[in-house]
Amino acid sequence: GNSVTQMEGPVTLSEEAFLTINCTYTATGYPSLFWYVQYPGEGLQLLLKATKADDKGSNKGFEATYRKETTSFHLEKGSVQVSDSAVYFCALSDPGGSYIPTFGRGTSLIVHP
Amino acid sequence: EPEVTQTPSHQVTQMGQEVILRCVPISNHLYFYWYRQILGQKVEFLVSFYNNEISEKSEIFDDQFSVERPDGSNFTLKIRSTKLEDSAMYFCASIMAKTGFKANYGYTFGSGTRLTVV
Repeated sequence: GNSVTQMEGPVTLSEEAFLTINCTYTATGYPSLFWYVQYPGEGLQLLLKATKADDKGSNKGFEATYRKETTSFHLEKGSVQVSDSAVYFCALSDPGGSYIPTFGRGTSLIVHP
Repeated sequence: EPEVTQTPSHQVTQMGQEVILRCVPISNHLYFYWYRQILGQKVEFLVSFYNNEISEKSEIFDDQFSVERPDGSNFTLKIRSTKLEDSAMYFCASIMAKTGFKANYGYTFGSGTRLTVV
Protein backbone atom coordinates (compact mmCIF):
# COMPACT_ATOMS: atom_id res chain seq x y z
CA GLY A 1 0.00 0.00 0.00
CA ASN A 2 0.90 3.67 -0.07
CA SER A 3 2.86 5.22 2.77
CA VAL A 4 4.74 8.39 3.65
CA THR A 5 7.67 8.61 6.04
CA GLN A 6 8.82 11.90 7.49
CA MET A 7 11.76 12.75 9.68
CA GLU A 8 11.02 12.90 13.38
CA GLY A 9 10.68 16.25 15.02
CA PRO A 10 10.81 18.67 16.51
CA VAL A 11 13.25 20.49 14.27
CA THR A 12 14.59 23.51 16.13
CA LEU A 13 16.37 26.26 14.20
CA SER A 14 17.46 29.83 14.63
CA GLU A 15 15.97 32.50 12.40
CA GLU A 16 17.60 32.65 8.93
CA ALA A 17 18.89 29.07 9.15
CA PHE A 18 18.47 26.61 6.27
CA LEU A 19 15.65 24.11 6.63
CA THR A 20 15.34 20.58 5.31
CA ILE A 21 12.52 18.25 6.30
CA ASN A 22 12.92 14.82 4.75
CA CYS A 23 10.03 12.92 3.23
CA THR A 24 10.10 9.59 1.42
CA TYR A 25 7.18 7.68 0.03
CA THR A 26 6.04 4.27 -1.13
CA ALA A 27 3.37 4.09 -3.80
CA THR A 28 2.17 1.55 -6.31
CA GLY A 29 1.58 4.07 -9.08
CA TYR A 30 2.73 7.60 -9.94
CA PRO A 31 1.44 9.72 -7.10
CA SER A 32 1.05 13.44 -6.73
CA LEU A 33 3.00 14.75 -3.76
CA PHE A 34 2.07 17.51 -1.36
CA TRP A 35 3.31 19.42 1.62
CA TYR A 36 0.71 20.73 4.03
CA VAL A 37 1.37 23.12 6.91
CA GLN A 38 -0.57 23.47 10.14
CA TYR A 39 -0.06 26.68 12.08
CA PRO A 40 -1.08 26.65 15.75
CA GLY A 41 -4.86 26.50 16.15
CA GLU A 42 -5.51 26.23 12.41
CA GLY A 43 -6.32 23.51 9.88
CA LEU A 44 -3.96 21.90 7.44
CA GLN A 45 -3.20 24.21 4.53
CA LEU A 46 -1.73 23.17 1.22
CA LEU A 47 1.79 24.60 1.03
CA LEU A 48 3.03 23.20 -2.28
CA LYS A 49 2.60 20.28 -4.64
CA ALA A 50 4.25 18.38 -7.48
CA THR A 51 2.42 16.06 -9.80
CA LYS A 52 5.17 14.31 -11.75
CA ALA A 53 8.82 13.33 -11.56
CA ASP A 54 11.33 16.22 -11.48
CA ASP A 55 8.59 18.79 -10.85
CA LYS A 56 9.51 21.39 -8.27
CA GLY A 57 6.76 22.78 -6.09
CA SER A 58 7.34 26.15 -4.46
CA ASN A 59 5.48 28.62 -2.28
CA LYS A 60 6.38 31.23 0.35
CA GLY A 61 10.10 30.49 -0.09
CA PHE A 62 9.64 26.75 0.44
CA GLU A 63 10.58 24.26 -2.26
CA ALA A 64 10.38 20.53 -2.80
CA THR A 65 11.42 18.48 -5.83
CA TYR A 66 9.70 15.23 -6.81
CA ARG A 67 12.53 12.67 -7.04
CA LYS A 68 11.23 9.42 -8.46
CA GLU A 69 14.62 7.68 -8.36
CA THR A 70 14.91 8.19 -4.61
CA THR A 71 11.13 8.28 -3.94
CA SER A 72 11.61 11.51 -2.03
CA PHE A 73 10.02 14.94 -1.72
CA HIS A 74 12.16 16.82 0.78
CA LEU A 75 11.00 20.26 1.90
CA GLU A 76 13.59 23.05 1.93
CA LYS A 77 13.76 26.74 2.74
CA GLY A 78 16.85 28.86 2.52
CA SER A 79 16.13 31.20 5.43
CA VAL A 80 13.43 30.38 7.97
CA GLN A 81 11.49 32.94 9.99
CA VAL A 82 9.84 32.69 13.39
CA SER A 83 6.49 32.78 11.59
CA ASP A 84 7.37 29.49 9.86
CA SER A 85 7.00 27.67 13.18
CA ALA A 86 4.33 25.06 12.49
CA VAL A 87 3.79 21.36 11.84
CA TYR A 88 4.57 20.23 8.29
CA PHE A 89 2.90 17.18 6.74
CA CYS A 90 4.05 15.35 3.65
CA ALA A 91 1.29 13.60 1.72
CA LEU A 92 0.66 11.69 -1.47
CA SER A 93 -2.38 11.17 -3.61
CA ASP A 94 -2.37 8.19 -5.94
CA PRO A 95 -4.35 8.78 -9.14
CA GLY A 96 -4.07 5.06 -9.85
CA GLY A 97 -5.92 4.38 -6.62
CA SER A 98 -8.61 6.23 -4.76
CA TYR A 99 -6.99 9.71 -4.76
CA ILE A 100 -7.51 9.84 -1.00
CA PRO A 101 -4.38 11.47 0.45
CA THR A 102 -2.02 9.45 2.58
CA PHE A 103 -0.22 11.55 5.18
CA GLY A 104 2.96 11.26 7.15
CA ARG A 105 2.93 11.90 10.88
CA GLY A 106 4.06 15.49 10.60
CA THR A 107 7.26 17.28 11.60
CA SER A 108 7.16 20.12 14.06
CA LEU A 109 9.37 23.09 13.22
CA ILE A 110 10.32 25.58 15.93
CA VAL A 111 12.18 28.70 14.87
CA HIS A 112 13.81 30.86 17.53
CA PRO A 113 14.59 34.58 17.04
CA GLU B 1 -11.00 32.71 1.31
CA PRO B 2 -13.56 29.91 1.86
CA GLU B 3 -12.98 27.79 4.93
CA VAL B 4 -14.00 24.46 6.32
CA THR B 5 -15.41 25.09 9.80
CA GLN B 6 -15.33 22.52 12.59
CA THR B 7 -17.06 22.65 15.94
CA PRO B 8 -16.35 22.29 18.77
CA SER B 9 -12.62 22.91 18.83
CA HIS B 10 -12.24 20.73 21.92
CA GLN B 11 -14.59 18.17 23.41
CA VAL B 12 -14.15 16.12 26.54
CA THR B 13 -16.42 13.14 26.98
CA GLN B 14 -16.74 10.15 29.27
CA MET B 15 -15.98 6.69 27.99
CA GLY B 16 -19.10 5.05 26.58
CA GLN B 17 -20.81 8.31 25.69
CA GLU B 18 -21.86 9.30 22.20
CA VAL B 19 -20.22 12.29 20.55
CA ILE B 20 -21.04 14.19 17.39
CA LEU B 21 -18.35 16.20 15.68
CA ARG B 22 -19.56 18.84 13.27
CA CYS B 23 -18.14 20.23 10.07
CA VAL B 24 -19.34 22.77 7.53
CA PRO B 25 -17.50 22.09 4.25
CA ILE B 26 -17.00 24.66 1.53
CA SER B 27 -20.34 25.18 -0.15
CA ASN B 28 -19.52 24.15 -3.72
CA HIS B 29 -17.39 21.16 -2.76
CA LEU B 30 -18.70 17.70 -3.51
CA TYR B 31 -16.42 15.30 -1.64
CA PHE B 32 -16.08 15.25 2.12
CA TYR B 33 -13.66 13.45 4.40
CA TRP B 34 -12.88 12.73 8.00
CA TYR B 35 -9.35 12.11 9.17
CA ARG B 36 -7.96 11.68 12.64
CA GLN B 37 -4.58 12.10 14.26
CA ILE B 38 -3.74 10.40 17.52
CA LEU B 39 -1.14 12.47 19.32
CA GLY B 40 2.28 11.97 17.78
CA GLN B 41 1.05 9.59 15.12
CA LYS B 42 0.08 9.79 11.46
CA VAL B 43 -2.93 11.59 10.09
CA GLU B 44 -5.20 8.65 9.28
CA PHE B 45 -8.04 8.48 6.79
CA LEU B 46 -11.40 7.48 8.26
CA VAL B 47 -14.10 7.94 5.63
CA SER B 48 -15.04 9.74 2.44
CA PHE B 49 -18.55 10.83 1.51
CA TYR B 50 -20.02 11.76 -1.85
CA ASN B 51 -23.54 12.14 -3.15
CA ASN B 52 -25.02 11.48 0.29
CA GLU B 53 -23.31 8.18 0.85
CA ILE B 54 -20.03 6.75 2.04
CA SER B 55 -17.71 6.18 -0.90
CA GLU B 56 -14.75 4.73 0.99
CA LYS B 57 -13.82 3.93 4.55
CA SER B 58 -10.80 2.62 6.37
CA GLU B 59 -10.61 -0.28 8.78
CA ILE B 60 -10.69 2.25 11.62
CA PHE B 61 -14.21 3.28 10.62
CA ASP B 62 -16.09 0.42 12.28
CA ASP B 63 -19.71 0.13 13.43
CA GLN B 64 -19.09 2.65 16.21
CA PHE B 65 -18.67 5.40 13.63
CA SER B 66 -21.22 6.97 11.32
CA VAL B 67 -21.38 10.04 9.11
CA GLU B 68 -24.26 12.13 7.94
CA ARG B 69 -25.00 15.21 5.92
CA PRO B 70 -28.30 16.07 7.57
CA ASP B 71 -29.15 19.39 5.95
CA GLY B 72 -27.00 19.99 2.89
CA SER B 73 -24.45 22.11 4.73
CA ASN B 74 -23.32 20.23 7.84
CA PHE B 75 -21.27 17.06 7.69
CA THR B 76 -21.14 15.16 10.98
CA LEU B 77 -19.11 12.33 12.43
CA LYS B 78 -20.78 10.36 15.22
CA ILE B 79 -18.99 8.02 17.55
CA ARG B 80 -21.63 5.88 19.20
CA SER B 81 -19.83 4.68 22.32
CA THR B 82 -16.46 6.34 22.80
CA LYS B 83 -13.39 4.48 23.93
CA LEU B 84 -10.19 5.87 25.43
CA GLU B 85 -8.37 5.11 22.18
CA ASP B 86 -10.74 7.42 20.28
CA SER B 87 -8.94 10.37 21.85
CA ALA B 88 -7.43 12.22 18.91
CA MET B 89 -7.63 15.30 16.75
CA TYR B 90 -10.36 14.85 14.13
CA PHE B 91 -10.08 16.77 10.86
CA CYS B 92 -12.77 17.36 8.30
CA ALA B 93 -11.80 18.09 4.70
CA SER B 94 -13.55 18.81 1.44
CA ILE B 95 -12.63 19.09 -2.23
CA MET B 96 -14.56 20.10 -5.29
CA ALA B 97 -13.48 17.15 -7.44
CA LYS B 98 -11.16 14.25 -6.80
CA THR B 99 -10.01 13.59 -10.34
CA GLY B 100 -8.46 15.69 -13.03
CA PHE B 101 -6.66 18.94 -12.52
CA LYS B 102 -8.85 20.01 -9.63
CA ALA B 103 -7.60 17.11 -7.53
CA ASN B 104 -4.16 18.66 -7.52
CA TYR B 105 -5.38 21.81 -5.83
CA GLY B 106 -5.41 19.79 -2.67
CA TYR B 107 -7.96 19.39 0.00
CA THR B 108 -9.24 22.15 2.27
CA PHE B 109 -9.09 21.11 5.90
CA GLY B 110 -10.79 22.45 8.98
CA SER B 111 -8.83 23.34 12.09
CA GLY B 112 -9.87 20.16 13.82
CA THR B 113 -11.74 19.00 16.91
CA ARG B 114 -9.63 17.68 19.74
CA LEU B 115 -11.59 14.83 21.34
CA THR B 116 -10.53 13.70 24.78
CA VAL B 117 -12.17 10.58 26.19
CA VAL B 118 -11.80 10.15 29.94
